[in-house]
Amino acid sequence: QQQVKQSPQSLIVQKGGIPIINCAYENTAFDYFPWYQQFPGKGPALLIAIRPDVSEKKEGRFTISFNKSAKQFSLHIMDSQPGDSATYFCAARDSGAGSYQLTFGKGTKLSVIP
Amino acid sequence: AAGVIQSPRHLIKEKRETATLKCYPIPRHDTVYWYQQGPGQDPQFLISFYEKMQSDKGSIPDRFSAQQFSDYHSELNMSSLELGDSALYFCASSSKGANVLTFGAGSRLTVL
Repeated sequence: QQQVKQSPQSLIVQKGGIPIINCAYENTAFDYFPWYQQFPGKGPALLIAIRPDVSEKKEGRFTISFNKSAKQFSLHIMDSQPGDSATYFCAARDSGAGSYQLTFGKGTKLSVIP
Repeated sequence: AAGVIQSPRHLIKEKRETATLKCYPIPRHDTVYWYQQGPGQDPQFLISFYEKMQSDKGSIPDRFSAQQFSDYHSELNMSSLELGDSALYFCASSSKGANVLTFGAGSRLTVL
């Protein structure tokens, strides 16, 4: 059972568009929600992260929106560029369980067309 | 800035052979995580170590074992390799209790 459900599986937007990637979770003990960006043949790189006591976090062109009651969070990329074309993974962690490992969503392959 | 170093970057093995992957964490990071990522899949957690002790275990097959050494580097040993073990293997490191996991570039294992 996928603990973190991510959608869509793939996404194509024009340059300047605002792709939105959504994630949902069930485990209310999750207390940290990062987004990772991965280019082909590379390791995932942390993009931005949020904790459940915050409803929105913005870093540059990337914004996370967090809805604790709905157990959903999303990534918005403003003014998307071809260089943003990559696979994006949402993730979650339950540090209260004494474990700091991340559970990943299935990933969203984003293509930004010039 | 120093990153997580993984070796080898590419490895080709035959079925039933063994393979060893190495991971050198960022200096002063005491926690190491191993993930397996199949083609088009999300990274799946295998195992983690903190201060040379296993701290958490995920979907690591019994054919695999890992350890963390006194210099904090870690090795993932895989035996009786199967075709389905072909994947990218990522190592990540962090400081204990820190939120951020930093991933290495990965080791691509191909089993023929």
